[in-house]
Amino acid sequence: QKEVEQNSGPLSVPEGAIASLNCTYSDRGSQSFFWYRQYSGKSPELIMFIYSNGDKEDGRFTAQLNKASQYVSLLIRDSQPSDSATYLCAGLDSSYKLIFGSGTRLLVRP
Amino acid sequence: NAGVTQTPKFQVLKTGQSMTLQCAQDMNHNSMYWYRQDPGMGLRLIYYSASEGTTDKGEVPNGYNVSRLNKREFSLRLESAAPSQTSVYFCASSDPSGVYNEKLFFGSGTQLSVL
Repeated sequence: QKEVEQNSGPLSVPEGAIASLNCTYSDRGSQSFFWYRQYSGKSPELIMFIYSNGDKEDGRFTAQLNKASQYVSLLIRDSQPSDSATYLCAGLDSSYKLIFGSGTRLLVRP
Repeated sequence: NAGVTQTPKFQVLKTGQSMTLQCAQDMNHNSMYWYRQDPGMGLRLIYYSASEGTTDKGEVPNGYNVSRLNKREFSLRLESAAPSQTSVYFCASSDPSGVYNEKLFFGSGTQLSVL
C-alpha cells in the first residue's frame, strides 16, 4: 500500500512565526510532490510542487524534498491568520496517480 | 471561466437509493478524477479517466461506477448507496504537461449523506 503520512495536528503557531509542515512517503518510485491548501468547507488548491532534492521557494513558502529520507516539508514564513487551513501533501506515484496524505491542520494565532 | 463544476452541492439518500454526481470542466483537460474525502482520511481516489473514452479504478472503487461522456464530462454513479459512502466528493481535472506537474483543479465538492 503506497502511503503518504502527515501529522494531523493541529499545529498552532503565533502570527509572524515560521510554520513547519512535514510529510513522509513510502513509494520510492514517487518522483514529484505537491502541497495543497484546503480551507474549511472548500476544495483544495495547489500552492507548491517540488521534484528535485533540496529547497524550492515561492514567496513566503518553501518546499523541501529529501528523497533519500523520503521526506517532504513545507515552511511558511511570517505566518498569517489567513494561512490557517489544512495542508495536504501529495505524491505522484509510479503509475502517475496522486496519493494524498490525510492533511495537517494549521492554526495561526493573531 | 467556470473551471470544474460539480452538481449537486448537497444530497441526502436513503440506503439502497441510486444517484449520479455530475462533473464538467471547461479547460479542455484530458484527465479527470473523482475523489472522496472523509474526516482524518485525506483524499482518496475513486476512479479516474486519463482521456476521453478511458476509465480506471483508483484506491476505493467498490460501490461506484463512472462514465466519461465526452472530454468535458465525467460522472460518478452510486447504484445502491450505503452509509459507508457518506462523504464529501470532489471532482478534479488536470492537463499534465509532464510527470512533474500534475496540477489538479478541483470542483467545489458534493456533501453526500446516506441514511
